[in-house]
Amino acid sequence: DVKVTQSSRYLVKRTGEKVFLECVQDMDHENMFWYRQDPGLGLRLIYFSYDVKMKEKGDIPEGYSVSREKKERFSLILESASTNQTSMYLCASSRRYEQYFGPGTRLTVT
Amino acid sequence: KQEVTQIPAALSVPEGENLVLNCSFTDSAIYNLQWFRQDPGKGLTSLLLIQSSQREQTSGRLNASLDKSSGRSTLYIAASQPGDSATYLCAPDAGGTSYGKLTFGQGTILTVHP
Repeated sequence: DVKVTQSSRYLVKRTGEKVFLECVQDMDHENMFWYRQDPGLGLRLIYFSYDVKMKEKGDIPEGYSVSREKKERFSLILESASTNQTSMYLCASSRRYEQYFGPGTRLTVT
Repeated sequence: KQEVTQIPAALSVPEGENLVLNCSFTDSAIYNLQWFRQDPGKGLTSLLLIQSSQREQTSGRLNASLDKSSGRSTLYIAASQPGDSATYLCAPDAGGTSYGKLTFGQGTILTVHP
């Protein structure tokens, strides 16, 4: 079975802090994705990566950056957290078409 | 820009009923479509992936169909059980240079009561 893990289930940070969300997959997938999910807005793509050291912007990249130094790990970085970044963050990976998701990190920025 | 609509937004049924969940999308030039379920506060679980060359896929009590020309997909759940209670999401993939970029609907919240 594909396993996608995320570093934290719940996280509370203060406004202005730098926040790292980590995602690791164990199936040697080339593609990795970061989404956020908000009530009424659904899931929206933040960034994705087709290979190590490659990244592409999704639909809502503002305020975020990513890092992919190793194939199995994809990090989402909030350079200076703001309250409007309070959300559920979901990571996914795929080899070709079928995406597999991690359990999510619920981030609260106060 | 692709827009995805799921109908109904919520559904409450007694155990044992057969269900149909609907998904429509505005841009029919999709490469494939994936159905997921999400339990409250959890991540998404992939249920079925239908590629553009296929018209349907089956897994156990689940059957998903795809009609690209009309921009529609349906998820059929046979003999529903309380454990099927969850939010169901559909997500078409545009493919090509947008390969892997899924667009999600708002979901159908399903409640199956004993």
